[in-house]
Amino acid sequence: QTVVTQEPSFSVSPGGTVTLTCALSSGSVSTNYYPSWYQQTPGQAPRILIYNTNTRSSGVPDRFSGSILGNKAALIVTGAQADDEAHYYCLLYLGGGTWVFGGGTKLTVL
Amino acid sequence: EVQLVESGGGLVQPGGSLRLSCAASGFTFNNYALNWVRQAPGKGLEWVSNIGGDAGGTYYADSVKGRFTVSRDNSKNTVYLQMSSLRVEDTAIYYCARRSKTAYFPNWGQGTLVTVSS
Repeated sequence: QTVVTQEPSFSVSPGGTVTLTCALSSGSVSTNYYPSWYQQTPGQAPRILIYNTNTRSSGVPDRFSGSILGNKAALIVTGAQADDEAHYYCLLYLGGGTWVFGGGTKLTVL
Repeated sequence: EVQLVESGGGLVQPGGSLRLSCAASGFTFNNYALNWVRQAPGKGLEWVSNIGGDAGGTYYADSVKGRFTVSRDNSKNTVYLQMSSLRVEDTAIYYCARRSKTAYFPNWGQGTLVTVSS
């Protein structure tokens, strides 16, 4: 069974930079997994931020970026703002019509 | 504007069945795969199922395989999730999400709550 691991929580100061990561239990994350990132605030549905590793979705502020760092997918928030406080989930495509989410990271801005 | 509206959630006893619906609009329905994603109370997101566009291939997470069945009616722009042999651990908000032409989910519904309890 494939497990995707994210940091359970992270804290960043307003204006600071934070890197959230997404790791596979069995090997390295590559662009072949089409990593995407979602933001979820309480009571709301998830919202797409980044897809195909590093493409920002329409309307997403450019302080959000995505990449592969080493053997993990990464979401970088540069110049964090108070309204970036949310849960962030990565999603990996395993092929054959199946996907797996990471466990999510709760980002606190304080 | 793409819209996905889930319905059919509610309270059901363990071992019972429930059918969820997701009504779609704002895009050419039969050209896109649709997914079900769930979120247990206070927990993370879990991918549940995918159904292809016109051809309609179906795929499931191991946790629901053999108990859940996804289907679609392209004439009604609606996708369904038939859930049977429900367990307490199936309690969650169930979201419908459209798959892009690559492999991410650009559009989501607001979800419908399923509670499995005696």
